[in-house]
Amino acid sequence: EIVLTQSPGTLSLSPGERATLSCRASQSVSSSYLAWYQQKPGQAPRLLIYGASSRATGIPDRFSGSGSGTDFTLTISRLEPEDFAVYYCQQFGTSTRRTFGQGTKVEIK
Amino acid sequence: VQVVQSGAEVKKPGSSVKVSCKTSGGTFSSYTISWVRQAPGQGLEWMGGIISVFGTGKYEQKFQGRVTIFTDESTSTAYMELGSLRTEDTAVYYCAVTGIPAGNDDFDIWGQGTMVTVSS
Repeated sequence: EIVLTQSPGTLSLSPGERATLSCRASQSVSSSYLAWYQQKPGQAPRLLIYGASSRATGIPDRFSGSGSGTDFTLTISRLEPEDFAVYYCQQFGTSTRRTFGQGTKVEIK
Repeated sequence: VQVVQSGAEVKKPGSSVKVSCKTSGGTFSSYTISWVRQAPGQGLEWMGGIISVFGTGKYEQKFQGRVTIFTDESTSTAYMELGSLRTEDTAVYYCAVTGIPAGNDDFDIWGQGTMVTVSS
């Protein structure tokens, strides 16, 4: 069973700064099925990145994803006020399975 | 495509709950439907999923025997039924709709969530 470990748990940054979030898999995963989500309080998760590096429709280009194998990264180039939220990496597995990381909270410093 | 879930529920320990996930505007048979829950202040947890044309739900091992996921193609609705409820099952339950195979593109639509509270 694949385990996704995100770091750091919390990232304290100011608007305009760059955010770098990490997601490490316990074994190699297909980049094609690695996604990143943003979740704000009281809302459902929203897909940001699929296939490790492809932005979902309507996602600003300040969001970018990279990585392969066991190490993946979500980068927010310049934080906007609306970007302060919790971010999850997720792998789509076989038999409809979804495996989530534990989340990284990006908070205002 | 729109996804609308049923409303909040309050249940007693030991009882069961059935949450619905109604889709519209697309082709139900082309979907992978997942059920994900989130306990208060916690992360996201996959419970199981189903591809309607294949008929059989797939479940996370910790929920095996307590959860049933099924669909009604006539109403384009998926259901998640969780039995033997415990207080720790208190959570928001989401359905998420993707294509087949899941994750192949950016088609990934989540319902608004259904709060299930288990309390005596």
